[in-house]
Amino acid sequence: AQSVAQPEDQVNVAEGNPLTVKCTYSVSGNPYLFWYVQYPNRGLQFLLKYITGDNLVKGSYGFEAEFNKSQTSFHLKKPSALVSDSALYFCAVRDLDQAGTALIFGKGTTLSVSS
Amino acid sequence: DTGVSQDPRHKITKRGQNVTFRCDPISEHNRLYWYRQTLGQGPEFLTYFQNEAQLEKSRLLSDRFSAERPKGSFSTLEIQRTEQGDSAMYLCASSRTSGRGDTQYFGPGTRLTVL
Repeated sequence: AQSVAQPEDQVNVAEGNPLTVKCTYSVSGNPYLFWYVQYPNRGLQFLLKYITGDNLVKGSYGFEAEFNKSQTSFHLKKPSALVSDSALYFCAVRDLDQAGTALIFGKGTTLSVSS
Repeated sequence: DTGVSQDPRHKITKRGQNVTFRCDPISEHNRLYWYRQTLGQGPEFLTYFQNEAQLEKSRLLSDRFSAERPKGSFSTLEIQRTEQGDSAMYLCASSRTSGRGDTQYFGPGTRLTVL
């Protein structure tokens, strides 16, 4: 079965410092991985995705994510955090070798950036 | 492109009433998805349409839930005989078929409160 784990409920970081939000996944086939961000009372906004190719994926607002097949991880990173990055972040996976299009989401990680 | 829109944004209803939500996808997106998100959880897949055909349904989609996409454009999600456990954010997403790698774009959601 497909699954996503976000081991940290909350990540706290000071503005200007680098941030990492962790994600590990489990699929039987090849993974198609996403990061989305959600602001209060809003829908999810797409940040970036990995399907194949370069393991380092760059996305919106200066975010990037590194795919590590051996560790089945897809951690979200940003070199210098902004207060405006404070939000709820979701990692999601789809197994490309299985029928179906549904994304499986983690429980989310709240990022809090202090000034 | 204008984004995915959902109506209403908020719905308060009494237990036992029927409710209907509407989703308008990004124009020319042939795929449309419904997810449900409860507090502290990531979105959970409910159902998926490709054009007007409903191709996938989750086990979460009980007999009280029905979704349609009659002309392959907008979609409606109806919940009959609502229960307090139906209280959640209902999210719609759309995508355009792109080989194996389409990206789902989400609407702002409809927050349902069942009293």
